[in-house]
Amino acid sequence: DTGVSQDPRHKITKRGQNVTFRCDPISEHNRLYWYRQTLGQGPEFLTYFQNEAQLEKSRLLSDRFSAERPKGSFSTLEIQRTEQGDSAMYLCASSFPTSGVTDTQYFGPGTRLTVL
Amino acid sequence: GDSVTQMEGPVTLSEEAFLTINCTYTATGYPSLFWYVQYPGEGLQLLLKATKADDKGSNKGFEATYRKETTSFHLEKGSVQVSDSAVYFCAHTGGTSYGKLTFGQGTILTVHP
Repeated sequence: DTGVSQDPRHKITKRGQNVTFRCDPISEHNRLYWYRQTLGQGPEFLTYFQNEAQLEKSRLLSDRFSAERPKGSFSTLEIQRTEQGDSAMYLCASSFPTSGVTDTQYFGPGTRLTVL
Repeated sequence: GDSVTQMEGPVTLSEEAFLTINCTYTATGYPSLFWYVQYPGEGLQLLLKATKADDKGSNKGFEATYRKETTSFHLEKGSVQVSDSAVYFCAHTGGTSYGKLTFGQGTILTVHP
């Protein structure tokens, strides 16, 4: 079990540029989540995949944000035309549904985005 | 809407002191409740969870009981150690079927020798 991995760990970009982050979940996990965490706050839900299907998106996920999970394995989160307000830690989590019991989400180390 | 409120921090304690971090929630449906911990320089880790009313979650000496009548899930530890210094997050699933988490703002705990 190698855990959830995210790449890159840090990204510095200029306002207006596009950025893409990758998440590799734990191999047998079919549920994948993206969250955003700003300084001094708890993570906020962005979107959720079951296998390759994106089943829910938060209102926080503006039109500039898009997420994919093309083969039901890794996922990418793209932010177009970045703004300074996008600066945050982007967290990925994965889980495997256990019948009758709420599954536990395992979090990756996050990608810290700084928009200059 | 769904929310989680944690006691304001930071919390500073001496080693072997008793710890309580308060957490209350509002949620639709019947949520599962969680405490996650974030140690310095590390990612979020599940500390403990409870899936139904009156359940007690426990791990590493920490405990929390799911109190539906008071919508609370307070975290306690009888004797903290320096190594417990971290940020603690209370969270719930809001009654969703797939487990979307709603987090509190986090409580910073510092334990001095």
